[in-house]
Amino acid sequence: SQTIHQWPATLVQPVGSPLSLECTVEGTSNPNLYWYRQAAGRGLQLLFYSVGIGQISSEVPQNLSASRPQDRQFILSSKKLLLSDSGFYLCAWSVGGSSYEQYFGPGTRLTVT
Amino acid sequence: AQRVTQPEKLLSVFKGAPVELKCNYSYSGSPELFWYVQYSRQRLQLLLRHISRESIKGFTADLNKGETSFHLKKPFAQEEDSAMYYCALRANSGGSNYKLTFGKGTLLTVNP
Repeated sequence: SQTIHQWPATLVQPVGSPLSLECTVEGTSNPNLYWYRQAAGRGLQLLFYSVGIGQISSEVPQNLSASRPQDRQFILSSKKLLLSDSGFYLCAWSVGGSSYEQYFGPGTRLTVT
Repeated sequence: AQRVTQPEKLLSVFKGAPVELKCNYSYSGSPELFWYVQYSRQRLQLLLRHISRESIKGFTADLNKGETSFHLKKPFAQEEDSAMYYCALRANSGGSNYKLTFGKGTLLTVNP
């Protein structure tokens, strides 16, 4: 069966420090991959999505970037964190060629101090 | 660009009462609509999609293209229905069909 992992579960980082959040999917090939930020009052905001290795689409211009170095690995990064980057980050995957059902990971709670 | 609006951030009902979570959308084409749910300490998951026209956990949702709405309804709410509910839209055109646009969510609380 397919599973999706995210780590770390929680992270506290100072302003100006780098960030790397990792997401991996098991049990499927060539998935579509997504990064969301979930914030109270702002709902679920799509940040990046990828339909293949090295293919990244950015939805919101910001301080973050994403990469997909392997088929089932999706990384969210920042060179210098801002206070406004604090939030709950969710990774999701869907079957390649279709996106109607997305399967979400457990999320990472990021606090920038 | 597509947009999904959930006008109620919070909704509180008593057990056994009917519940309706509102969702309106804006999209010029023919969309697919979905409801996702997140129970406490659980992952966000798909609840239902309009194409399947099914009832899940007693919930139904009908796509009304004239009113551009996709409200989620249940005739008798249960305490275990308490959760965050997100309405989502998939645009069926070009590169947009890879992604979902979510509303801001409605937190439903069912009181005993």
